[in-house]
Amino acid sequence: DAGVTQSPTHLIKTRGQHVTLRCSPISGHKSVSWYQQVLGQGPQFIFQYYEKEERGRGNFPDRFSARQFPNYSSELNVNALLLGDSALYLCASSLLGGSYEQYFGPGTRLTVT
Amino acid sequence: QQPVQSPQAVILREGEDAVINCSSSKALYSVHWYRQKHGEAPVFLMILLKGGEQKGHEKISASFNEKKQQSSLYLTASQLSYSGTYFCGTESTSGTYKYIFGTGTRLKVLA
Repeated sequence: DAGVTQSPTHLIKTRGQHVTLRCSPISGHKSVSWYQQVLGQGPQFIFQYYEKEERGRGNFPDRFSARQFPNYSSELNVNALLLGDSALYLCASSLLGGSYEQYFGPGTRLTVT
Repeated sequence: QQPVQSPQAVILREGEDAVINCSSSKALYSVHWYRQKHGEAPVFLMILLKGGEQKGHEKISASFNEKKQQSSLYLTASQLSYSGTYFCGTESTSGTYKYIFGTGTRLKVLA
């Protein structure tokens, strides 16, 4: 079975631009979560979506937004990019969200110059 | 509040055992454990639920002490493949839903 897929793998953007990252969950999984991981640190929770509704939000500015589509895939959008947004962005899918195991995609490496 | 893990780092020889602890200042209802190898995404290892139910798929064991708000991951007869950074993770129990990873433990197994 296919795991969680993310696109693109790598991305280089300039300060002030916006970016859209995409995630396809494991087939049958209805929940998608997004995380930001800066080098040397653990993943930081950004959003969780379940059945196309936002279930949770981390301590990130409003420049960060996301949505989940009817096929349960998801997009993470970041506007007005800052140098500090450079990080690995991870998507994780789970069957029902909450206390269910999460399976991570390979991530999108975003570099902001 | 981010769960605190101990030790921060540990070096083992193949075949040795290790224990990684995860402590929270707030009540824990479930704890997840992950291993992340350098340059890769975290991989789910185990989930421990309040009430003692435990689910996992690797030969690694864990305990969950709800009263002490702690969880421990036990790695026995370590293998080279166990090297990586281990994270515990839990859900926030107040306000809107959040998922929080622990501070991480770097583990290196030497031949």
